[in-house]
Amino acid sequence: NAGVTQTPKFRVLKTGQSMTLLCAQDMNHEYMYWYRQDPGMGLRLIHYSVGEGTTAKGEVPDGYNVSRLKKQNFLLGLESAAPSQTSVYFCASSTGTGSGNYGYTFGSGTRLTVV
Amino acid sequence: GIQVEQSPPDLILQEGANSTLRCNFSDSVNNLQWFHQNPWGQLINLFYIPSGTKQNGRLSATTVATERYSLLYISSSQTTDSGVYFCAVSLTSGTYKYIFGTGTRLKVLA
Repeated sequence: NAGVTQTPKFRVLKTGQSMTLLCAQDMNHEYMYWYRQDPGMGLRLIHYSVGEGTTAKGEVPDGYNVSRLKKQNFLLGLESAAPSQTSVYFCASSTGTGSGNYGYTFGSGTRLTVV
Repeated sequence: GIQVEQSPPDLILQEGANSTLRCNFSDSVNNLQWFHQNPWGQLINLFYIPSGTKQNGRLSATTVATERYSLLYISSSQTTDSGVYFCAVSLTSGTYKYIFGTGTRLKVLA
C-alpha cells in the first residue's frame, strides 16, 4: 500500500546543476502530474501525463522536462537549476476516465533548494 | 483563466468549535477536490466532490456547481485539524488538471 513515492525527499543543488526527481505509483493509475508549491501559495501544475509515453505542459513548464517511459513512473528533470526553482515539488496520480472518482493521491514531496 | 478563491485566508479556533471554509470559482467546473495539508507538508485528499454533499466523520462538504462554490464543514474541531485546506478545481474532463486555490490556514488551539 505504498501509493505514490517520491525520491529524493530533500536535495540541495548549485545553480547550473542538473537533477531528476522520480515519482513512482503502484495503483495502476493512468494519469500523473508534477506540481510545485511555493511559500504562501497554492500548488501550480508543471507538467502532466495521461498515459505511458505521453506528456504535456501545465501552467509553469519552463525550465523543466518530463518523461513517462513506464506507466508507473513519472520523472521530472531540471537541466540547469536556477534559484527560482527552489520549491517543494509534489507528484500526484489519478485514475483515467470512466472510473467515477478523479481525485488525486499525492506523494510526500521533494524539498529542493538551489543555491 | 479560472480563478479559485478561498475564504477566510486564516482561521483560529478553540478546540471543539465548528467552522465553515468556502471556495468560490469563476467558471463552470467538472471536478472539485478538497485537500488538507498537515503541518509536516503531507497533502491528504479529503473529498472528491464535483456536486452534492458528502460526509466523512466530523468533516462534510457541499458543492453547488451551478452557483460556483463549495463549502467544507469541520465540526468539533481538534488540534490535529490544524494545517492548510486547499480547494482545487478542474475545468476539463479527461485530463483532470486541477487549479488550486491559495488555501485557508487553520489553527486549532487546545
